[in-house]
Amino acid sequence: GAGVSQSPSNKVTEKGKDVELRCDPISGHTALYWYRQSLGQGLEFLIYFQGNSAPDKSGLPSDRFSAERTGGSVSTLTIQRTQQEDSAVYLCASSLGRGSYNEQFFGPGTRLTVL
Amino acid sequence: AQSVTQPDIHITVSEGASLELRCNYSYGATPYLFWYVQSPGQGLQLLLKYFSGDTLVQGIKGFEAEFKRSQSSFNLRKPSVHWSDAAEYFCAVAGKAAGNKLTFGGGTRVLVKP
Repeated sequence: GAGVSQSPSNKVTEKGKDVELRCDPISGHTALYWYRQSLGQGLEFLIYFQGNSAPDKSGLPSDRFSAERTGGSVSTLTIQRTQQEDSAVYLCASSLGRGSYNEQFFGPGTRLTVL
Repeated sequence: AQSVTQPDIHITVSEGASLELRCNYSYGATPYLFWYVQSPGQGLQLLLKYFSGDTLVQGIKGFEAEFKRSQSSFNLRKPSVHWSDAAEYFCAVAGKAAGNKLTFGGGTRVLVKP
């Protein structure tokens, strides 16, 4: 079946512009995660959605970052007033449920370059 | 706070030789431990996971890992490496206290020589 998909695969933007990154999780998966992979910081957690519960935003690096999940499915990660340090690969993952024993399936990522 | 350390940034191994990747974790309770592989241009794929029970766990692609609580380690092994195993490998930890968000190590890049 279809895996996690992300769009766009690549995004180049100018410093100060806003960007939106999209994630389509696996159908039926109630949990959705965003991670960031950068040279300086490695792989780091950003935000986590589980069903209708309030999201865990503890990994968002600044208030320029926000995310929403509409209808319990598609998620959008928005970065406002992008900075060069935001350049990274943004990974989305989904799982069947909240428990850590549920495997997280990762999408291919969106490579963001801020000029 | 939980953390994961992968001491080796790069490892080069000959095809057919054995491979061991080190992982040390810091976590206040019983951890859930994972190994992921990331091939060039690919997303992260789960190799194996440990939650409880038998400390030697088997995964896909012929990999296994051993949980050693006394050493806070979860090392990954493969008896005979294939050229297709060239990739970056990430150890990760999760637990109830932190929800199920994954905390990753810095990764180990494996190069396979013919």
